[in-house]
Amino acid sequence: DQQVKQNSPSLSVQEGRISILNCDYTNSMFDYFLWYKKYPAEGPTFLISISSIKDKNEDGRFTVFLNKSAKHLSLHIVPSQPGDSAVYFCAARDNNAGNMLTFGGGTRLMVKP
Amino acid sequence: GAVVSQHPSWVICKSGTSVKIECRSLDFQATTMFWYRQFPKQSLMLMATSNEGSKATYEQGVEKDKFLINHASLTLSTLTVTSAHPEDSSFYICSAGQIHNSPLHFGNGTRLTVT
Repeated sequence: DQQVKQNSPSLSVQEGRISILNCDYTNSMFDYFLWYKKYPAEGPTFLISISSIKDKNEDGRFTVFLNKSAKHLSLHIVPSQPGDSAVYFCAARDNNAGNMLTFGGGTRLMVKP
Repeated sequence: GAVVSQHPSWVICKSGTSVKIECRSLDFQATTMFWYRQFPKQSLMLMATSNEGSKATYEQGVEKDKFLINHASLTLSTLTVTSAHPEDSSFYICSAGQIHNSPLHFGNGTRLTVT
């Protein structure tokens, strides 16, 4: 049973527009959520995170929104740039279970110039 | 700069041989490190949790005798793929974090190809 799901395997956006990547989870014990960006043949790079006590966290062009009641989070990138093209993974952690992360399946973002 | 270093970045080996992959935390101590595996166009699957000074904890379906993990110090964990077979060909990634509620940082991964 997938505890973290990213239902859109891919997303195409025009440069300058907003990219919205979505993530759903089922485990109510998750209390820390992260977004990672990954290029082929490289390890994931941490982008932004949010604690379950917050509903929004912003860092430059990246904003993560958390809706606990819906068990849903999203990553907004605005304005999108061609260099943002990569695979984005949503991850969640249950702090009672240590530092382990559970990943979603990833969404491939393509930003067209 | 990188906070987790993984080596080698790629390796090709013959079927039946063993391959060791190293994961080092730079500038911080990690009592726990994690080993993930990624198949093409798929997500990262946790293989095992490496615990400094004690046995690793393996996820269901991961053979502990095939994927030997040693966490000999607070900055080094190794994954040894023993008697490798072509189906072990994959992208292996390690990760480590400093404290709770801080992000895990990942190494750059190791592309293993078994011929």
